[in-house]
Amino acid sequence: DAKTTQPPSMDCAEGRAANLPCNHSTISGNEYVYWYRQIHSQGPQYIIHGLKNNETNEMASLIITEDRKSSTLILPHATLRDTAVYYCIVRVSPSASKIIFGSGTRLSIRP
Amino acid sequence: AAGVIQSPRHLIKEKRETATLKCYPIPRHDTVYWYQQGPGQDPQFLISFYEKMQSDKGSIPDRFSAQQFSDYHSELNMSSLELGDSALYFCASSLEGGGQYFGPGTRLTVT
Repeated sequence: DAKTTQPPSMDCAEGRAANLPCNHSTISGNEYVYWYRQIHSQGPQYIIHGLKNNETNEMASLIITEDRKSSTLILPHATLRDTAVYYCIVRVSPSASKIIFGSGTRLSIRP
Repeated sequence: AAGVIQSPRHLIKEKRETATLKCYPIPRHDTVYWYQQGPGQDPQFLISFYEKMQSDKGSIPDRFSAQQFSDYHSELNMSSLELGDSALYFCASSLEGGGQYFGPGTRLTVT
């Protein structure tokens, strides 16, 4: 699985959009980009995933660059409950394969 | 919506004892994963099962074993417990093609 690079920490004002970057310059053509988050001591929570097209769901939007070497997770209106560690993960396929968690980005939301 | 259920939520054992952790996946999910998260660490993959067969194995000690039963629930058996086994243990489930959904975890404390 491709290695990802994320900033160790970020902060964002409540109500503003939080944009979390991820670099995955060695991504292969059949690898998906996944985002998970972990609120303190809770189980990691699946957010969104994509292959090459931008994706949106009720939680977030995922923007993948055309060359697929980087992506951005967007939380459109951050709330205090979005404070968590966010993990960007690249995996060969969406099916039965393990998640290798890296260090992630610790996102803090300011009131 | 139904989520992944783990039991017990908290467990205290002494060194050299055994422990059994249980996981009940989301209905119709065919894959179960186990992860271990030590204090201040990122979750680490232990083992996974697809359709009751072991599908992948990570850094799981030989003292640990796991299986998935006909009703798709899974159990992680841990023997000869050591202080270093104190951690959060997460179970996750998925349906082929989708993201992994994590349970709330079992906090194991070995004294």
